[in-house]
Amino acid sequence: DSGVTQTPKHLITATGQRVTLRCSPRSGDLSVYWYQQSLDQGLQFLIQYYNGEERAKGNILERFSAQQFPDLHSELNLSSLELGDSALYFCASSVTSGGSTDTQYFGPGTRLTVL
Amino acid sequence: ILNVEQSPQSLHVQEGDSTNFTCSFPSSNFYALHWYRWETAKSPEALFVMTLNGDEKKKGRISATLNTKEGYSYLYIKGSQPEDSATYLCAVRGTGNDMRFGAGTRLTVKP
Repeated sequence: DSGVTQTPKHLITATGQRVTLRCSPRSGDLSVYWYQQSLDQGLQFLIQYYNGEERAKGNILERFSAQQFPDLHSELNLSSLELGDSALYFCASSVTSGGSTDTQYFGPGTRLTVL
Repeated sequence: ILNVEQSPQSLHVQEGDSTNFTCSFPSSNFYALHWYRWETAKSPEALFVMTLNGDEKKKGRISATLNTKEGYSYLYIKGSQPEDSATYLCAVRGTGNDMRFGAGTRLTVKP
């Protein structure tokens, strides 16, 4: 158990809908990262927040957005969902802003299925 | 562009065999390299973080080396056990602050 929690574990929804995935980092960690893992792709970095501010952006679609709240939990919002958005979404946290040696601790993931 | 390549894609070994796999990355855009172990139905678990050319890290029967000049890292497992069966991911943090993961090497250790 990494100490990172994600809810819900599974989510099934329809195309065109909007969903929110939630992540609580390990106690004391200030950074939260979001990743997507599709069937045919490896882990893709989406976005990082550090202490409430966006820190780095990866391959995140415009239909997706994220934020980190004052209590450091983070939410990833996915809108106008398409079939191709079906994936496992991981959240990870680290102590600092993501310095070169910062280890990321991964949550259990949320499996999103878009029908 | 930070392309991270891992080889082989998959590996089947017998219990007791030693094995190794490779992670390659562009040496010009390197900041740090992370190795993760990912068991089926679980989340990735950090093994090592390495930054300096010539770095060597060890954790039990697993060790890793880093060559930043030529852009590769090796992960070694000595005396593989069935519980070592997992996908081993490497991730490289580039100077642009993003993190790129390789596709992983899937290791199966047969008893």
